[in-house]
Amino acid sequence: DVKVTQSSRYLVKRTGEKVFLECVQDMDHENMFWYRQDPGLGLRLIYFSYDVKMKEKGDIPEGYSVSREKKERFSLILESASTNQTSMYLCASSLSPGIYLENEQFFGPGTRLTVL
Amino acid sequence: AQTVTQSQPEMSVQEAETVTLSCTYDTSESDYYLFWYKQPPSRQMILVIRQEAYKQQNATENRFSVNFQKAAKSFSLKISDSQLGDAAMYFCACYTGTASKLTFGTGTRLQVTL
Repeated sequence: DVKVTQSSRYLVKRTGEKVFLECVQDMDHENMFWYRQDPGLGLRLIYFSYDVKMKEKGDIPEGYSVSREKKERFSLILESASTNQTSMYLCASSLSPGIYLENEQFFGPGTRLTVL
Repeated sequence: AQTVTQSQPEMSVQEAETVTLSCTYDTSESDYYLFWYKQPPSRQMILVIRQEAYKQQNATENRFSVNFQKAAKSFSLKISDSQLGDAAMYFCACYTGTASKLTFGTGTRLQVTL
């Protein structure tokens, strides 16, 4: 079974803090994704990566950065956390970027981040 | 840009009954995939069913089936013989090779009552 894990289920930080959210997948997937989930807005893509050291902006990248130093690990960084970044953050991975069956995304359990 | 619309924020169904969740999408691509994902209260999102746009036959996975109307850009999910474990948030999503990403709808929360 594909397993995508996230470093924390719940996280509370203060405004201005630097926040790291970690995601690890164990199936040698090429692609990894970070989403935020907000009520009434669904899932919105923040950043994604198709390869090590490669990153692409999603729909809402402002205020976030990412790092992918190893294939299995994809980190989301909030350089200076703000209250409007309070949200559920979901990580996902998939095998290949092509329009094939392999593009099914597997999700982690999510991190509920609260910024005070 | 592709968009996905789920117009039903909440739905309720009695156990053993059938319920249909609606989804419409818009894309200019000819090749795309459509998905329904389920997010139970424990929050791990899982794939329920997928449909390739080039296939006319509606996808089916056990009690889950879709009604794919390509011309109308509609992709509804039917859950038959509903069970308590079906209670979850359901997201419709569209993937195109050009965008190389999934676009999600806003979700439908399904309650299953006894």
